[in-house]
Amino acid sequence: NAGVTQTPKFRILKIGQSMTLQCTQDMNHNYMYWYRQDPGMGLKLIYYSVGAGITDKGEVPNGYNVSRSTTEDFPLRLELAAPSQTSVYFCASSYPGTGGSAFFGQGTRLTVV
Amino acid sequence: DQQVKQNSPSLSVQEGRISILNCDYTNSMFDYFLWYKKYPAEGPTFLISISSIKDKNEDGRFTVFLNKSAKHLSLHIVPSQPGDSAVYFCAARSQAAGNKLTFGGGTRVLVKP
Repeated sequence: NAGVTQTPKFRILKIGQSMTLQCTQDMNHNYMYWYRQDPGMGLKLIYYSVGAGITDKGEVPNGYNVSRSTTEDFPLRLELAAPSQTSVYFCASSYPGTGGSAFFGQGTRLTVV
Repeated sequence: DQQVKQNSPSLSVQEGRISILNCDYTNSMFDYFLWYKKYPAEGPTFLISISSIKDKNEDGRFTVFLNKSAKHLSLHIVPSQPGDSAVYFCAARSQAAGNKLTFGGGTRVLVKP
């Protein structure tokens, strides 16, 4: 049982480059989320999805895009990478009624230079 | 405006003693509160939660207390063990807002043998 899987684990991008962070879950969860964690800080919500075809902005969506074509996958797209996007990115998923307890992936550490 | 705050960035405790982690929130619409534990280079893992209609929830060595009137919750770990050394995040969610979790900044706990 893989849970939530994120790829890649590490990536270095140059300013202005683009990339897609992949996230897939095998628990048939409706809800999926992308968070970022800056050093010494809590997690901030970037985007979330309550089901295939439905996405919405979180607290810090600027510079990112998402899509949700299937229940399993929720990729995060960075266009025109900036140093401010250097962070650790976490994908998570949950059922609607489990008290909000989400399962997290292991994270992607992204550095923009 | 931080809706969930953990005012103590770090905590050091002797093995076998009690660890008390605190969390304050401002949004009265939160209906579930959760604690997550995070080790370096891993994603957060769910620890324990409490519904807003309860004031206490216990799971083994972990107990969460909720004081709604004070908008305050705490996590007690008794007895503390060296394996408990990690960063602990308080989180809150409003089901009306799509199960999105709002996180505090985290408290780093060090349990000394």
